[in-house]
Amino acid sequence: QVQLVQSGSELKKPGASVKVSCKASGYIFTSYAINWVRQAPGQGLEWMGWINTNTGNPTSAQGFTGRFVFSLDKSVSTAYLQISSLKAADTAVYYCARGNIAAAGLFDYWGQGALVTVSS
Amino acid sequence: EIVMTQSPATLSVSPGERATLSCRASESVSSNLAWYQQKPGQAPRLLIYGASSRATGIPARFSGSGSGTEFTLTISSLQSEDFAVYYCQQYNNWPPWTFGQGTKVEVK
Repeated sequence: QVQLVQSGSELKKPGASVKVSCKASGYIFTSYAINWVRQAPGQGLEWMGWINTNTGNPTSAQGFTGRFVFSLDKSVSTAYLQISSLKAADTAVYYCARGNIAAAGLFDYWGQGALVTVSS
Repeated sequence: EIVMTQSPATLSVSPGERATLSCRASESVSSNLAWYQQKPGQAPRLLIYGASSRATGIPARFSGSGSGTEFTLTISSLQSEDFAVYYCQQYNNWPPWTFGQGTKVEVK
């Protein structure tokens, strides 16, 4: 069965970096895009961008360029989100979600989420 | 950017009653509209895609309708496990893919 398993919660200080992982199983990793979605505390869902798991080409939404980097390691079917120069406003749950093969913007499977807390 | 607007923000419904949630797009998204359910502490789950097709394993009490700019999610007879937040999302025009702000369905 399709599964996306994310890394655990992180507590970081402002200015630090964090790397969240998303390990896929149960399907051909390189056939489906991986998207990243942010959910700030008590807020809604915000699409951050996606990575083409075949080419490795990332695309970021406005507001998620520069400090936010999408990458992957095909050998272990894992996608990564790295955030640098962390700010308190980056405190959120970060989800990875698989893009449907017929419609890349349709998120058919989701990881369980990774809480990143930024606090001094 | 396409703006998705959901109404109401909160819907109070008794178990067994019908719930109707609305979603409006700022421009046409054709039928490229999805609905997700999110329970506290859980990831969103795909319920409806293509505006009206149920995802795998989704009960028949969930139905979606609409096209263009106006969409509806109906839960025909609310069960205890259906109390959650529901988000609509357009996947017609990008970037970005955009979500509505959510409708919370709570116990009346």
